[in-house]
Amino acid sequence: KQEVTQIPAALSVPEGENLVLNCSFTDSAIYNLQWFRQDPGKGLTSLLLIQSSQREQTSGRLNASLDKSSGRSTLYIAASQPGDSATYLCAVSGGAQKLVFGQGTRLTINP
Amino acid sequence: GAGVSQSPSNKVTEKGKDVELRCDPISGHTALYWYRQSLGQGLEFLIYFQGNSAPDKSGLPSDRFSAERTGGSVSTLTIQRTQQEDSAVYLCASSLFPGDRGYTFGSGTRLTVV
Repeated sequence: KQEVTQIPAALSVPEGENLVLNCSFTDSAIYNLQWFRQDPGKGLTSLLLIQSSQREQTSGRLNASLDKSSGRSTLYIAASQPGDSATYLCAVSGGAQKLVFGQGTRLTINP
Repeated sequence: GAGVSQSPSNKVTEKGKDVELRCDPISGHTALYWYRQSLGQGLEFLIYFQGNSAPDKSGLPSDRFSAERTGGSVSTLTIQRTQQEDSAVYLCASSLFPGDRGYTFGSGTRLTVV
C-alpha cells in the first residue's frame, strides 16, 4: 500500500528566504507526482506535475524534483513571499488511477 | 466549463438525514474522483469514475455512501443517514487523462452534520 509522508508538518520562515519542502513515498512504481497548494477553506490548486520519466519541473519561483528510485520529491520555493503561505500537498498516482496524498506541510511566510 | 464546479459549497444537515453533493467536471474530462478531507486529516480517496463506470470504489467508508455519474459528466455523491463523523470537506477532481494532465480539483463542499 502506497504511503506518502511530508516533512516538515509545519514551517515558518521570514520573507525572502529560499525553502525546501520534502515528500517521500514507499512504492516507487508511480505514474506521476503532483504538488498542490491549499489555502484555508479552499480547494486544491495544482502547482507542478512531474511524470515518472522526468527529474524536475519548474514554474516561476517553484521547482520540483523527483527521484523515483529513492522515493523522494522536493519542492523548492525561491524568494518566498507572504502570499506563499498555504498548505502544500504532495500526491502520487499509481496504476490504480487515484492519488495518494501526504498530510501536507503548513507554510507560513512572515513579512 | 472552465473549472470543476461543486455544489453546494456548504451544507449543514441534521444527523440521520440524507444529503447529495454534486460535481460538474471540466468538459471532456473522462476521469472523475471524489475525495474527503476531515478536520486535521489528509485527503482520503473515496471513488473513481472512468466515464459512467466506477472501477474503484474502494474508498467508500460504508454502504451509506454511494455515487453515480451520468452522461460521462455530472457526478452525485449521496450520503444516507448522515452521522457526525461524516462532517468533512468533500472534494471532486477531474482529469482528461491522468498520466498526461494531472488532476483539477473543485473548491469542495463543506458538510457539517449536527
